[in-house]
Amino acid sequence: SQQGEEDPQALSIQEGENATMNCSYKTSINNLQWYRQNSGRGLVHLILIRSNEREKHSGRLRVTLDTSKKSSSLLITASRAADTASYFCATGRTGGGADGLTFGKGTHLIIQP
Amino acid sequence: GAGVSQTPSNKVTEKGKYVELRCDPISGHTALYWYRQSLGQGPEFLIYFQGTGAADDSGLPNDRFFAVRPEGSVSTLKIQRTERGDSAVYLCASSLLARTGELFFGEGSRLTVL
Repeated sequence: SQQGEEDPQALSIQEGENATMNCSYKTSINNLQWYRQNSGRGLVHLILIRSNEREKHSGRLRVTLDTSKKSSSLLITASRAADTASYFCATGRTGGGADGLTFGKGTHLIIQP
Repeated sequence: GAGVSQTPSNKVTEKGKYVELRCDPISGHTALYWYRQSLGQGPEFLIYFQGTGAADDSGLPNDRFFAVRPEGSVSTLKIQRTERGDSAVYLCASSLLARTGELFFGEGSRLTVL
């Protein structure tokens, strides 16, 4: 079963625009992570936000977390063609995360040049 | 190596055959995970190793699937009597225990069962 669900399933924007993806989850968490996957490749960790954090930045990425709503968002600013990929949110299988993650179905992001 | 290595990158087999997929994790990572990913879906958990033992194999779909990690490093996922529904990308990931749970993934092994 998949704990996180991303929204939208697909997103197409123009280069230079901002892209926002949302994630909802069901159970309590210690942290929430976002991963990126280029077509035909493995997943790459982007950013982790802890349950006691509300917002976190890393370069052009901004992640928010609302534990009361059990939701998170990933914002990519000033998008580039190279940002075209699928983006997944992930939470710990048993909350802590040390025994692996549960992934959503992902948001497929296409950046039009 | 610097990252998680998976072999083969592609495997085509016939229905009913036996398949082995190999994963070489990042050196020093005690935790190893196998996931399966179908087209358009997120990775689905299969099994988790802590050291040599399978700490949680609740994601294995049936008894045709088995995984080992005899020396606490390299792991092999074994699939017996393959079926067409087993076709997917099998992803391996490792992590350094006591960290925050960030996983490092390999490029995956794409299995096609004809």
